[in-house]
Amino acid sequence: SQQGEEDPQALSIQEGENATMNCSYKTSINNLQWYRQNSGRGLVHLILIRSNEREKHSGRLRVTLDTSKKSSSLLITASRAADTASYFCSHSGNTPLVFGKGTRLSVIA
Amino acid sequence: EAGVVQSPRYKIIEKKQPVAFWCNPISGHNTLYWYRQNLGQGPELLIRYENEEAVDDSQLPKDRFSAERLKGVDSTLKIQPAELGDSAVYLCASSSLGTLAGDEQFFGPGTRLTVL
Repeated sequence: SQQGEEDPQALSIQEGENATMNCSYKTSINNLQWYRQNSGRGLVHLILIRSNEREKHSGRLRVTLDTSKKSSSLLITASRAADTASYFCSHSGNTPLVFGKGTRLSVIA
Repeated sequence: EAGVVQSPRYKIIEKKQPVAFWCNPISGHNTLYWYRQNLGQGPELLIRYENEEAVDDSQLPKDRFSAERLKGVDSTLKIQPAELGDSAVYLCASSSLGTLAGDEQFFGPGTRLTVL
């Protein structure tokens, strides 16, 4: 069974707005990663945050990690139509690699 | 640099038929993963290889699924016989160190399997 869960399942915003999606997990982790998947394509790695890190930035992306709450968030600032995709979190630790069901983001121009 | 290559991209078969998927990882990547992704779901890990050794196959349905990576490079995933519920996208990914070391995975485009 999948142990990671993204929230919300779907998100629709206007171009230029910020998008925030969350990921929760149940076990201890070594690191947590966020991926993007465009329709009909493979997943593309966005950013990795290690268990001893609390925040990380990459361009318009900001990821936070709260190990006490077993949760992470991905913030996309100044969204663009090209950001329309599904976003997944994945974590590795003592259990097999797991992905959540993803958040489907729609950015409307 | 070429990415992860998968073939075929699409496959339509009748139930009870065998099917095979092929994956060639990025050159130099020791770790190879096979995932199954159902519509509206995230990828589900089927098997992970470190070089030619299967180090995690706990979620591979071994009664009908098999995989091999004989020379530690390319890999084949087979289903025999296929069932209707096997319809999904089968994704292959590779990484150089393995995700436990904090390494990102590079995914191929996937093979979309339809079982009729």
